[in-house]
Amino acid sequence: DTAVSQTPKYLVTQMGNDKSIKCEQNLGHDTMYWYKQDSKKFLKIMFSYNNKELIINETVPNRFSPKSPDKAHLNLHINSLELGDSAVYFCASSQGPPAYEQYFGPGTRLTVT
Amino acid sequence: GQNIDQPTEMTATEGAIVQINCTYQTSGFNGLFWYQQHAGEAPTFLSYNVLDGLEEKGRFSSFLSRSKGYSYLLLKELQMKDSASYLCAVRALRSYNTDKLIFGTGTRLQVFP
Repeated sequence: DTAVSQTPKYLVTQMGNDKSIKCEQNLGHDTMYWYKQDSKKFLKIMFSYNNKELIINETVPNRFSPKSPDKAHLNLHINSLELGDSAVYFCASSQGPPAYEQYFGPGTRLTVT
Repeated sequence: GQNIDQPTEMTATEGAIVQINCTYQTSGFNGLFWYQQHAGEAPTFLSYNVLDGLEEKGRFSSFLSRSKGYSYLLLKELQMKDSASYLCAVRALRSYNTDKLIFGTGTRLQVFP
């Protein structure tokens, strides 16, 4: 009965590789988000989708490409990984814009070596 | 610009009361959230204030003064399990479809016996 799930939980990869993180929510929410939390625990929004439409893109490098096949899923693909991409990536969802209470997934800890 | 300030760390004793402050400067303010994040886990929703005043929810209360750009989270009857980071997040309204949460860096609270 997990509300927001992410896979994988841990991801260790080398610089230059391409990787994907998947997110699914079973709450029936319309809006989904990707956040990045760096080593200083600062949580910053990257993208937001509402009903599969991109509504927020926070000046994230083009190497990051979100995809929402339907409103219950939001995936994040990262090309040409760099050391600075190492962080915890959280997916979240909320009921319809404007964003109200957001439910977060368990996070994906990405380590780039 | 947008700026959210919280103390980095606080300590308190089990059974005591602690107040975690948050000051913010942001355009298009549309509410303030408090989230709790235990180490290695996802943030979870604690409270939401959009009007001035105090919102009480069990042992936790949250206060907002929009004119002063100030909020606090009050935790009563502290328990060991309250040791966590507490994130203040401002809801910045850009348009109906694209408001977003801007998080502070969080306050790490340690509760001692």
